[in-house]
Amino acid sequence: ETGVTQSPTHLIKTRGQQVTLRCSSQSGHNTVSWYQQALGQGPQFIFQYYREEENGRGNFPPRFSGLQFPNYSSELNVNALELDDSALYLCASKSGQETQYFGPGTRLLVL
Amino acid sequence: GDSVTQMEGPVTLSEEAFLTINCTYTATGYPSLFWYVQYPGEGLQLLLKATKADDKGSNKGFEATYRKETTSFHLEKGSVQVSDSAVYFCALSDRRQSNDMRFGAGTRLTVKP
Repeated sequence: ETGVTQSPTHLIKTRGQQVTLRCSSQSGHNTVSWYQQALGQGPQFIFQYYREEENGRGNFPPRFSGLQFPNYSSELNVNALELDDSALYLCASKSGQETQYFGPGTRLLVL
Repeated sequence: GDSVTQMEGPVTLSEEAFLTINCTYTATGYPSLFWYVQYPGEGLQLLLKATKADDKGSNKGFEATYRKETTSFHLEKGSVQVSDSAVYFCALSDRRQSNDMRFGAGTRLTVKP
């Protein structure tokens, strides 16, 4: 059984660009959540996807968007990047009411 | 809304010392409580959890008890090791309220030989 995987591991972008981050959920998990973790802080909830539909959203602007695919993998898209978007982006997956498990994260640096 | 407050770090201990990291929460419902650990350069790993009042979560020598009367979930370990050096996050989740998990700011623990 493979755990949650994310790609890429690191990414450097410039202000105004767009970025897509990818997440493969743990086998058997149909729910994926994305979190942003700024340096020295706890993770902040961005949104959750369940069976390809957004199923809850945190306090993030619309330029943060996502997708979930039939195989339950997911993408996080961020448009018009800002310097403050520099962070570790974490994906977590779960099945039903069970505990969610986190991937290793993608570290994004916006210059 | 629901929130978690952790003791500020960093915390530095000698090997075999006793560890306590305080965590208190504010919630309108009946959340589940978690401790996650993050090693340098890695994502979060679930350390332990408790889903209702008076439950005790335990793993790898770490323990935490869900105290509804004091709204607390303090993390303890009787004898820390150098390998326990990491950042520890307290978190809550109440699926009856929302689908997100709320995290504390994290407490960095350094254990010296």
